Amino acid sequence: EVQLLESGGGLVQPGGSLRLACATARFTFSNYAMNWVRQAPGKGLEWVSAINSDGSDTNYADSVRGRFTISRDVSQNTLYLQMNSLRAEDTAVYYCAKCSSASCYADPFDYWGQGTLVTVSA
Amino acid sequence: SYVLTQPPSVSVAPGKPARITCGGNNIGSKSVQWYQQRSGQAPVLVIYHDSHRPSGIPERFSGSNSGNTATLTISGVEAGDEADYSCQVWDGTRDHPVFGGGTKLIVL
Repeated sequence: EVQLLESGGGLVQPGGSLRLACATARFTFSNYAMNWVRQAPGKGLEWVSAINSDGSDTNYADSVRGRFTISRDVSQNTLYLQMNSLRAEDTAVYYCAKCSSASCYADPFDYWGQGTLVTVSA
Repeated sequence: SYVLTQPPSVSVAPGKPARITCGGNNIGSKSVQWYQQRSGQAPVLVIYHDSHRPSGIPERFSGSNSGNTATLTISGVEAGDEADYSCQVWDGTRDHPVFGGGTKLIVL
């Protein structure tokens, strides 16, 4: 069974930084696009960022573009999200989600991690 | 950007069918995914490409998509189906996925 395990969440002050990681196992990491999706308390799912299978293409939601950076390390089978200039509205559970294809265009997120909570507060 | 509209909640008695809608401009031309999220848990894919079920998802779950509305149908609802259900499509204009606001399925 595919495994996705997020880490790195926590409490951070506004303007601060955090780096999330998603360790993966039991699938060929380099063959699939990966995403970060977040869910603010009591709210719906919001897509944050995506990276294609070889890391050559990335995309971001307008709400995080210029502040967040997605990356992947094939040698470690790990997905990352570097979050800078954090704001209160970034408070959410952050999930990593595997695409069912290399580019994720119009394809589903077939596996999700359990999420890691990021709280931005003074 | 592309907007998906879902009812906040749907209530249904056990054993009855539940229908959860997802509205969007000409959504029938897009591929729709549905995710189930039980309380405190991660989302799980239950329908992809409008009407396909991943392995392990009961046959009670089905999907359809036409015109301006996509529908997730759960025939013979069980207590364990109580969860939030979210639809998702690809916004070709913005080149990224979009989620509906989610619908809470309440089993009476």
